[in-house]
Amino acid sequence: EIVMTQSPATLSVSPGERATLSCRASQSVSSNLAWYQQKPGQAPRLLIYGASTRATGIPARFSGSGSGTEFTLTISSLQSEDFAVYYCQQYNNWPRRTFGQGTKVEIK
Amino acid sequence: QVQLVQSGAEVKKPGASVKVSCKASGYTFTSYDINWVRQATGQGLEWMGWMNPNSGNTGYAQKFQGRVTMTRNTSISTAYMELSSLRSEDTAVYYCARESGWYSYWGQGTLVTVSS
Repeated sequence: EIVMTQSPATLSVSPGERATLSCRASQSVSSNLAWYQQKPGQAPRLLIYGASTRATGIPARFSGSGSGTEFTLTISSLQSEDFAVYYCQQYNNWPRRTFGQGTKVEIK
Repeated sequence: QVQLVQSGAEVKKPGASVKVSCKASGYTFTSYDINWVRQATGQGLEWMGWMNPNSGNTGYAQKFQGRVTMTRNTSISTAYMELSSLRSEDTAVYYCARESGWYSYWGQGTLVTVSS
């Protein structure tokens, strides 16, 4: 099983600042990586797939990068609605998908 | 528009089974795999398995092998996930999701509470 490890567990950021979230895979997943945002009481929402392609309707302040085993989600200027939990997910290993444990982005 | 609408919350006793439904609309049901993901309160996302609605083929995470069954009824574009021998640790929100590798569309979630 491919293990996905996210860091940090919690990120405290002020509105308007930049947030950088990391995700590491235990083995290469090529660019088969997605990022999701989840707010309390809601289903996850797809932000990024293919490591760097924004999903439909996702603002340009969200960007993804990386390949192989190291990936980054960057939120360029945090808005109030961006405070949430973020998950990475690999889909290189079909059909067994795995998620990271999540990074909570909270208001500093 | 694509929608996945799940059945309502359930309360079950330990040892019982639960069957959660996921009705798809807005696309051809048989064209995309359906995956099931669960989330215990305050915890992360856990992949449970997948089903191809066209063939009915399935695959399950090892953790759930022998306890989970994923089925479908193509005539009503509905997928089902049944989990048996429930224990307290199965208390969670269960989501269905349409897969393209990634999950573009999710159901609203179904809370399953296991309590004596």
